[in-house]
Amino acid sequence: GAGVSQTPSNKVTEKGKYVELRCDPISGHTALYWYRQSLGQGPEFLIYFQGTGAADDSGLPNDRFFAVRPEGSVSTLKIQRTERGDSAVYLCASSLSGTEDTQYFGPGTRLTVL
Amino acid sequence: GQQVMQIPQYQHVQEGEDFTTYCNSSTTLSNIQWYKQRPGGHPVFLIQLVKSGEVKKQKRLTFQFGEAKKNSSLHITATQTTDVGTYFCAGVPFSGAGSYQLTFGKGTKLSVIP
Repeated sequence: GAGVSQTPSNKVTEKGKYVELRCDPISGHTALYWYRQSLGQGPEFLIYFQGTGAADDSGLPNDRFFAVRPEGSVSTLKIQRTERGDSAVYLCASSLSGTEDTQYFGPGTRLTVL
Repeated sequence: GQQVMQIPQYQHVQEGEDFTTYCNSSTTLSNIQWYKQRPGGHPVFLIQLVKSGEVKKQKRLTFQFGEAKKNSSLHITATQTTDVGTYFCAGVPFSGAGSYQLTFGKGTKLSVIP
């Protein structure tokens, strides 16, 4: 079956602009996670959805970052007033129920802020 | 907050040699997971360890979870060039709050010299 997909694969934007990154989880997976991976680092947790609600958003760095999952499937990570420090690969993962199930990662979106 | 340390950061081995990476958490874990990331790729799930002292094997890979559920190791026997990549451990803390965010180590980048 299809895995987690993310679009776009690459996004180049200018400082101060707004961007949206999309994640399509594996069908039937109720749990969805966003991570951010900087060069040479491990993925860093941003936010976790169980269904439509954000069950844990403790990893969002500041209020410029926001994520939604209105129908409990596709999720969008939104970044306002982008800064050069936001440049990273944004990874989405999903798991079956969000208990201690395996998290399956998508290919990521490489965001570059000029 | 929870920290996961992983050593070594880099490891260069001759093909056929063994390889081990170590992971240590600052807090007791509910479970620990191991991922492999190829250059330019995304993290791919390898295994999850849940029980204290657990040992699991996948062909040439042996995974261990410490008795105190704070440390883990991955050992590869007789490395092959296909083992090249960065190996990450990722811990899920005992939080009881229903969040299953993974805290990743910085990874061990393995190079195999043919």
